[in-house]
Amino acid sequence: AQSVTQPDIHITVSEGASLELRCNYSYGATPYLFWYVQSPGQGLQLLLKYFSGDTLVQGIKGFEAEFKRSQSSFNLRKPSVHWSDAAEYFCAVGGPSGTYKYIFGTGTRLKVLA
Amino acid sequence: DAGVIQSPRHEVTEMGQEVTLRCKPISGHDYLFWYRQTMMRGLELLIYFNNNVPIDDSGMPEDRFSAKMPNASFSTLKIQPSEPRDSAVYFCASSFGGALSYNEQFFGPGTRLTVL
Repeated sequence: AQSVTQPDIHITVSEGASLELRCNYSYGATPYLFWYVQSPGQGLQLLLKYFSGDTLVQGIKGFEAEFKRSQSSFNLRKPSVHWSDAAEYFCAVGGPSGTYKYIFGTGTRLKVLA
Repeated sequence: DAGVIQSPRHEVTEMGQEVTLRCKPISGHDYLFWYRQTMMRGLELLIYFNNNVPIDDSGMPEDRFSAKMPNASFSTLKIQPSEPRDSAVYFCASSFGGALSYNEQFFGPGTRLTVL
């Protein structure tokens, strides 16, 4: 069955430091992969997505993610974190072929120290 | 566009009462999704519609939950009777299917439900 694992429940970084959030997936075919961000009290907003092609994808707010098929990973990165990046981040994989279901990871809560 | 609109934003009710959550998707979107978010279980898909027709309701926890989409611009999620374990944030999301299967889902701000 398809699944998404985000191994880090909480991550704390200092403002200006680099960030990497991990995401591993289990999927039988070429996956469709997404990163969403949820600010406190808000809905989820798409940061970036991967369908095919270049394995390094750029998103909004200075985020990028790299698809590595050999490692079944889709890690999210940002070279310099801003205090406003404090939020919860969700990785998701497109569900079984023929459906439009996402399978979400459990999320990683990011705290940014001033 | 105003985005996905959900109402109410907060709902506090007593156990046994009926609760109705409402959602207005983005105009032109043909897919609508209802999710529930809790600390214990994370974000779970409850049901989704395509062109107002329920496609997959396998995530609906039990018969106390029901969802309808009478037209392209409105959907409801009803819980009757409500129980304390239903306390969660309920999100509605919509997307345009088109030719590409997995297009971006646009999420509403959510309804925080508390059942006492």
